[in-house]
Amino acid sequence: DQQVKQNSPSLSVQEGRISILNCDYTNSMFDYFLWYKKYPAEGPTFLISISSIKDKNEDGRFTVFLNKSAKHLSLHIVPSQPGDSAVYFCAASPYGNKLVFGAGTILRVKS
Amino acid sequence: NAGVTQTPKFQVLKTGQSMTLQCAQDMNHNSMYWYRQDPGMGLRLIYYSASEGTTDKGEVPNGYNVSRLNKREFSLRLESAAPSQTSVYFCASRDRAANPLTDTQYFGPGTRLTVL
Repeated sequence: DQQVKQNSPSLSVQEGRISILNCDYTNSMFDYFLWYKKYPAEGPTFLISISSIKDKNEDGRFTVFLNKSAKHLSLHIVPSQPGDSAVYFCAASPYGNKLVFGAGTILRVKS
Repeated sequence: NAGVTQTPKFQVLKTGQSMTLQCAQDMNHNSMYWYRQDPGMGLRLIYYSASEGTTDKGEVPNGYNVSRLNKREFSLRLESAAPSQTSVYFCASRDRAANPLTDTQYFGPGTRLTVL
């Protein structure tokens, strides 16, 4: 049973527009959520995170929103750039513990 | 500062062969992890080591063994490879940060393993 779900396997967006990647989770013990970005033939790299006591965290073009009641989080990229084309993994954990990853969403930003 | 390194980058095995995947980190991190990535499954934790001298099973440990050789190195061994172990394997390391928002795992470049 997947505790972290990314229901969209892929997303295609025009350069300059907003990209919205979604993630749902089932375990109410999760209190820490992260997004990782992965290019082909490379390991995942940390992008942005949010604690369960917050509902929003912003870092430049990247913003993560958390809706605890819906057990849903989303990553917004504004504006999207061709270099953002990658696989994005959502991950969750109780802080300091093991991470549980979603299946990933392939983002393609078209120029 | 190389971060997390993994060897080999690619490997092809026949069913029943054994091999060891090597991982090393130079960030003085306490915790190290082994994941496998399969299409549609994301990254699944195989084994982890919270600190030197300790190892624990993750979500998919069957068919694997690990050794935390020292603080820097964490190896993953397949004793008798099976086609179901065809995957991309990632090693990661982490050190607990004072700020939870910067507490993250750092990943190596991966090993692509094919078992025929």
